[in-house]
Amino acid sequence: GQQLNQSPQSMFIQEGEDVSMNCTSSSIFNTWLWYKQDPGEGPVLLIALYKAGELTSNGRLTAQFGITRKDSFLNISASIPSDVGIYFCAGQPGGGSQGNLIFGKGTKLSVKP
Amino acid sequence: KAGVTQTPRYLIKTRGQQVTLSCSPISGHRSVSWYQQTPGQGLQFLFEYFSETQRNKGNFPGRFSGRQFSNSRSEMNVSTLELGDSALYLCASSATGRTEAFFGQGTRLTVV
Repeated sequence: GQQLNQSPQSMFIQEGEDVSMNCTSSSIFNTWLWYKQDPGEGPVLLIALYKAGELTSNGRLTAQFGITRKDSFLNISASIPSDVGIYFCAGQPGGGSQGNLIFGKGTKLSVKP
Repeated sequence: KAGVTQTPRYLIKTRGQQVTLSCSPISGHRSVSWYQQTPGQGLQFLFEYFSETQRNKGNFPGRFSGRQFSNSRSEMNVSTLELGDSALYLCASSATGRTEAFFGQGTRLTVV
């Protein structure tokens, strides 16, 4: 089946640092979504992208829909402690049904000891 | 607007039993999808319902089933539970024609 490769798998952040993560696929996606999940909670939608090349911001978060429609990245600027959590990319495959999202395995953000 | 509500939050069941999980979508949302989340496999799509009809189905055995009612509320059922069914089951709702899925807090199912 279709897969999304999300990297990095985990990363440590120090307050104030910028963070970057990305997702790639071997096939085309119509929509890219970025979610954050805290322990014991459901994923919360951060940003939705609909067009190739689209760049969208939500506060300190910026995400882009790749030109080839096969990738997307998420940047977090000036990270703060509450940014800790697991970030997931999700995509709706080309030709796929509205409700069938494919998810990456997640990027776990932790605070540097 | 109230978010997606899932009940119960936690469940412990024995192998061989069956379980029913419930999901109330955001008011006005007619599409409800279900996902299974495990540490090893991540988030995997189970099925999607729209206007009481199953519109899409993931790659899960027939022991996993669901339904949607006229008020868009949805239930999923797992019969003959196996240890490997232990997971966080997430429900998400979407507005008609929109891809953005809004998730509930999930039901943590433990099979012993």
